[in-house]
Amino acid sequence: DGGITQSPKYLFRKEGQNVTLSCEQNLNHDAMYWYRQDPGQGLRLIYYSQIVNDFQKGDIAEGYSVSREKKESFPLTVTSAQKNPTAFYLCASGTSGADTQYFGPGTRLTVL
Amino acid sequence: AQSVAQPEDQVNVAEGNPLTVKCTYSVSGNPYLFWYVQYPNRGLQFLLKYITGDNLVKGSYGFEAEFNKSQTSFHLKKPSALVSDSALYFCAVRDSGDDKIIFGKGTRLHILP
Repeated sequence: DGGITQSPKYLFRKEGQNVTLSCEQNLNHDAMYWYRQDPGQGLRLIYYSQIVNDFQKGDIAEGYSVSREKKESFPLTVTSAQKNPTAFYLCASGTSGADTQYFGPGTRLTVL
Repeated sequence: AQSVAQPEDQVNVAEGNPLTVKCTYSVSGNPYLFWYVQYPNRGLQFLLKYITGDNLVKGSYGFEAEFNKSQTSFHLKKPSALVSDSALYFCAVRDSGDDKIIFGKGTRLHILP
Protein backbone atom coordinates (compact mmCIF):
# COMPACT_ATOMS: atom_id res chain seq x y z
CA ASP A 1 0.00 0.00 0.00
CA GLY A 2 2.96 2.31 0.39
CA GLY A 3 2.82 5.64 -1.37
CA ILE A 4 -0.94 5.76 -1.80
CA THR A 5 -3.25 6.83 0.98
CA GLN A 6 -7.01 6.67 1.14
CA SER A 7 -9.18 8.24 3.77
CA PRO A 8 -11.24 7.53 5.67
CA LYS A 9 -10.88 3.76 6.13
CA TYR A 10 -14.56 3.41 7.05
CA LEU A 11 -17.32 5.78 6.02
CA PHE A 12 -21.01 5.78 6.84
CA ARG A 13 -23.52 7.80 4.90
CA LYS A 14 -27.23 8.38 5.04
CA GLU A 15 -29.28 7.88 1.93
CA GLY A 16 -29.52 11.02 -0.18
CA GLN A 17 -26.15 12.42 0.90
CA ASN A 18 -23.12 12.96 -1.29
CA VAL A 19 -19.79 11.80 0.10
CA THR A 20 -16.21 12.31 -1.07
CA LEU A 21 -13.46 9.71 -0.77
CA SER A 22 -9.89 10.90 -0.69
CA CYS A 23 -6.97 9.40 -2.61
CA GLU A 24 -3.43 10.83 -2.49
CA GLN A 25 -0.21 9.45 -3.95
CA ASN A 26 3.42 10.51 -3.59
CA LEU A 27 4.79 8.16 -6.26
CA ASN A 28 4.85 10.82 -8.98
CA HIS A 29 2.53 8.67 -11.08
CA ASP A 30 0.66 10.26 -13.97
CA ALA A 31 -2.28 7.87 -13.97
CA MET A 32 -4.81 7.30 -11.21
CA TYR A 33 -7.81 4.98 -11.02
CA TRP A 34 -10.90 4.32 -8.92
CA TYR A 35 -12.36 0.84 -8.58
CA ARG A 36 -15.34 -0.57 -6.80
CA GLN A 37 -15.15 -4.04 -5.24
CA ASP A 38 -18.21 -6.09 -4.40
CA PRO A 39 -18.11 -9.70 -3.14
CA GLY A 40 -17.79 -12.17 -6.01
CA GLN A 41 -17.55 -9.47 -8.67
CA GLY A 42 -13.90 -8.57 -8.66
CA LEU A 43 -12.89 -4.99 -9.34
CA ARG A 44 -14.88 -2.71 -11.61
CA LEU A 45 -13.44 0.51 -12.98
CA ILE A 46 -15.33 3.70 -12.08
CA TYR A 47 -13.13 6.52 -13.43
CA TYR A 48 -9.53 6.96 -14.43
CA SER A 49 -7.21 9.84 -15.18
CA GLN A 50 -4.05 9.74 -17.29
CA ILE A 51 -3.07 13.36 -16.72
CA VAL A 52 -3.97 16.36 -14.60
CA ASN A 53 -7.25 18.08 -15.53
CA ASP A 54 -8.39 15.13 -17.63
CA PHE A 55 -10.32 11.97 -16.75
CA GLN A 56 -12.41 9.30 -18.43
CA LYS A 57 -15.40 7.22 -17.44
CA GLY A 58 -14.87 3.59 -16.66
CA ASP A 59 -17.41 0.78 -16.82
CA ILE A 60 -19.64 1.94 -13.94
CA ALA A 61 -19.34 5.75 -13.80
CA GLU A 62 -23.04 6.51 -13.26
CA GLY A 63 -23.66 8.12 -9.89
CA TYR A 64 -19.99 9.03 -9.36
CA SER A 65 -17.87 12.08 -10.11
CA VAL A 66 -14.14 12.85 -9.91
CA SER A 67 -11.67 15.69 -10.28
CA ARG A 68 -7.95 15.78 -11.03
CA GLU A 69 -6.71 19.27 -10.16
CA LYS A 70 -3.35 18.03 -8.87
CA LYS A 71 -1.14 15.18 -9.93
CA GLU A 72 -1.10 13.78 -6.39
CA SER A 73 -4.84 13.81 -5.75
CA PHE A 74 -7.86 12.09 -7.33
CA PRO A 75 -10.94 12.42 -5.08
CA LEU A 76 -14.09 10.43 -5.80
CA THR A 77 -17.56 11.74 -4.97
CA VAL A 78 -20.33 9.22 -4.53
CA THR A 79 -23.53 11.11 -5.29
CA SER A 80 -27.08 10.45 -4.19
CA ALA A 81 -27.75 9.22 -7.74
CA GLN A 82 -25.70 6.09 -7.10
CA LYS A 83 -28.35 3.46 -6.41
CA ASN A 84 -26.29 0.97 -4.46
CA PRO A 85 -23.19 2.71 -3.10
CA THR A 86 -22.33 0.31 -0.26
CA ALA A 87 -19.02 -1.24 -1.33
CA PHE A 88 -15.26 -1.29 -0.87
CA TYR A 89 -13.59 1.45 -2.93
CA LEU A 90 -10.01 1.13 -4.10
CA CYS A 91 -7.78 3.81 -5.55
CA ALA A 92 -4.73 2.96 -7.63
CA SER A 93 -1.96 4.80 -9.46
CA GLY A 94 0.59 3.91 -12.10
CA THR A 95 2.85 5.22 -14.81
CA SER A 96 1.39 5.43 -18.28
CA GLY A 97 1.21 2.56 -20.69
CA ALA A 98 1.30 -1.06 -19.60
CA ASP A 99 2.93 -0.57 -16.27
CA THR A 100 1.80 -1.88 -12.92
CA GLN A 101 -0.94 -0.24 -10.87
CA TYR A 102 -0.33 0.24 -7.17
CA PHE A 103 -3.25 0.25 -4.79
CA GLY A 104 -4.22 2.17 -1.69
CA PRO A 105 -5.66 0.44 1.40
CA GLY A 106 -9.27 1.12 0.42
CA THR A 107 -12.33 2.83 1.91
CA ARG A 108 -15.34 0.83 2.98
CA LEU A 109 -18.50 2.86 2.42
CA THR A 110 -21.74 1.85 4.08
CA VAL A 111 -25.04 3.57 3.37
CA LEU A 112 -27.42 3.47 6.30
CA ALA B 1 -12.66 -6.55 -26.27
CA GLN B 2 -10.33 -7.83 -23.63
CA SER B 3 -11.45 -10.20 -20.90
CA VAL B 4 -9.99 -12.39 -18.18
CA ALA B 5 -11.41 -15.46 -16.47
CA GLN B 6 -10.55 -17.17 -13.22
CA PRO B 7 -12.49 -20.43 -13.43
CA GLU B 8 -12.19 -21.36 -9.75
CA ASP B 9 -13.90 -19.36 -7.02
CA GLN B 10 -11.89 -21.21 -4.37
CA VAL B 11 -8.82 -23.42 -4.24
CA ASN B 12 -7.86 -25.54 -1.24
CA VAL B 13 -4.30 -26.80 -0.85
CA ALA B 14 -2.52 -28.53 2.00
CA GLU B 15 0.46 -26.69 3.46
CA GLY B 16 3.70 -27.76 1.80
CA ASN B 17 1.99 -28.90 -1.40
CA PRO B 18 2.35 -27.07 -4.72
CA LEU B 19 -0.42 -24.68 -5.63
CA THR B 20 -1.87 -23.44 -8.91
CA VAL B 21 -4.40 -20.66 -9.42
CA LYS B 22 -5.75 -20.60 -12.96
CA CYS B 23 -6.24 -17.63 -15.28
CA THR B 24 -7.18 -17.40 -18.94
CA TYR B 25 -7.48 -14.26 -21.02
CA SER B 26 -8.68 -12.86 -24.31
CA VAL B 27 -7.19 -9.83 -26.07
CA SER B 28 -6.99 -8.62 -29.63
CA GLY B 29 -3.40 -7.41 -29.41
CA ASN B 30 -0.47 -8.42 -27.25
CA PRO B 31 -1.38 -9.15 -23.62
CA TYR B 32 0.10 -7.54 -20.57
CA LEU B 33 -0.71 -9.86 -17.65
CA PHE B 34 -0.64 -9.30 -13.90
CA TRP B 35 -1.27 -11.13 -10.64
CA TYR B 36 -2.30 -9.37 -7.44
CA VAL B 37 -3.06 -10.62 -3.93
CA GLN B 38 -5.53 -9.15 -1.45
CA TYR B 39 -5.66 -9.79 2.27
CA PRO B 40 -8.89 -9.05 4.21
CA ASN B 41 -9.90 -5.37 4.23
CA ARG B 42 -6.72 -4.35 2.44
CA GLY B 43 -5.80 -3.03 -0.96
CA LEU B 44 -4.32 -5.21 -3.68
CA GLN B 45 -0.62 -6.02 -3.61
CA PHE B 46 1.28 -6.57 -6.84
CA LEU B 47 2.85 -10.04 -7.20
CA LEU B 48 4.21 -10.26 -10.74
CA LYS B 49 3.65 -9.30 -14.35
CA TYR B 50 4.34 -10.49 -17.89
CA ILE B 51 4.97 -7.93 -20.59
CA THR B 52 7.37 -9.70 -22.94
CA GLY B 53 10.32 -12.07 -22.86
CA ASP B 54 10.67 -15.26 -20.84
CA ASN B 55 7.38 -17.13 -20.47
CA LEU B 56 8.13 -17.99 -16.83
CA VAL B 57 7.84 -14.96 -14.61
CA LYS B 58 9.05 -14.94 -11.00
CA GLY B 59 7.50 -12.61 -8.46
CA SER B 60 7.15 -11.81 -4.78
CA TYR B 61 6.85 -14.33 -1.94
CA GLY B 62 8.06 -17.25 -4.06
CA PHE B 63 5.23 -17.05 -6.58
CA GLU B 64 5.71 -17.54 -10.30
CA ALA B 65 3.46 -17.61 -13.35
CA GLU B 66 3.76 -19.14 -16.78
CA PHE B 67 2.57 -17.35 -19.89
CA ASN B 68 1.16 -19.79 -22.44
CA LYS B 69 0.21 -18.02 -25.65
CA SER B 70 -1.35 -21.03 -27.38
CA GLN B 71 -3.64 -21.73 -24.42
CA THR B 72 -4.10 -18.02 -23.60
CA SER B 73 -3.34 -18.78 -19.98
CA PHE B 74 -1.30 -17.22 -17.20
CA HIS B 75 -1.55 -19.59 -14.23
CA LEU B 76 -0.06 -18.61 -10.87
CA LYS B 77 2.07 -21.23 -9.14
CA LYS B 78 4.12 -21.84 -6.03
CA PRO B 79 6.12 -25.00 -5.32
CA SER B 80 5.31 -25.22 -1.61
CA ALA B 81 2.29 -23.47 -0.09
CA LEU B 82 2.31 -21.66 3.25
CA VAL B 83 -0.67 -21.01 5.50
CA SER B 84 0.13 -17.31 5.15
CA ASP B 85 -0.54 -17.58 1.39
CA SER B 86 -4.26 -17.82 2.18
CA ALA B 87 -5.83 -14.78 0.51
CA LEU B 88 -7.81 -13.58 -2.51
CA TYR B 89 -5.86 -13.63 -5.78
CA PHE B 90 -6.68 -11.56 -8.85
CA CYS B 91 -5.48 -12.03 -12.39
CA ALA B 92 -5.57 -8.96 -14.64
CA VAL B 93 -4.94 -8.23 -18.31
CA ARG B 94 -4.30 -5.17 -20.42
CA ASP B 95 -4.47 -5.20 -24.19
CA SER B 96 -1.46 -3.53 -25.78
CA GLY B 97 -3.84 -1.13 -27.55
CA ASP B 98 -5.74 -0.11 -24.43
CA ASP B 99 -5.04 1.96 -21.34
CA LYS B 100 -7.22 0.04 -18.89
CA ILE B 101 -6.60 -3.11 -16.91
CA ILE B 102 -9.39 -5.68 -16.64
CA PHE B 103 -9.48 -7.75 -13.46
CA GLY B 104 -10.81 -11.26 -12.99
CA LYS B 105 -13.37 -11.97 -10.30
CA GLY B 106 -10.75 -13.42 -7.98
CA THR B 107 -9.89 -16.84 -6.58
CA ARG B 108 -9.87 -17.44 -2.85
CA LEU B 109 -6.92 -19.59 -1.87
CA HIS B 110 -7.13 -21.61 1.36
CA ILE B 111 -3.96 -23.26 2.60
CA LEU B 112 -4.81 -25.95 5.10
CA PRO B 113 -2.34 -26.59 7.95
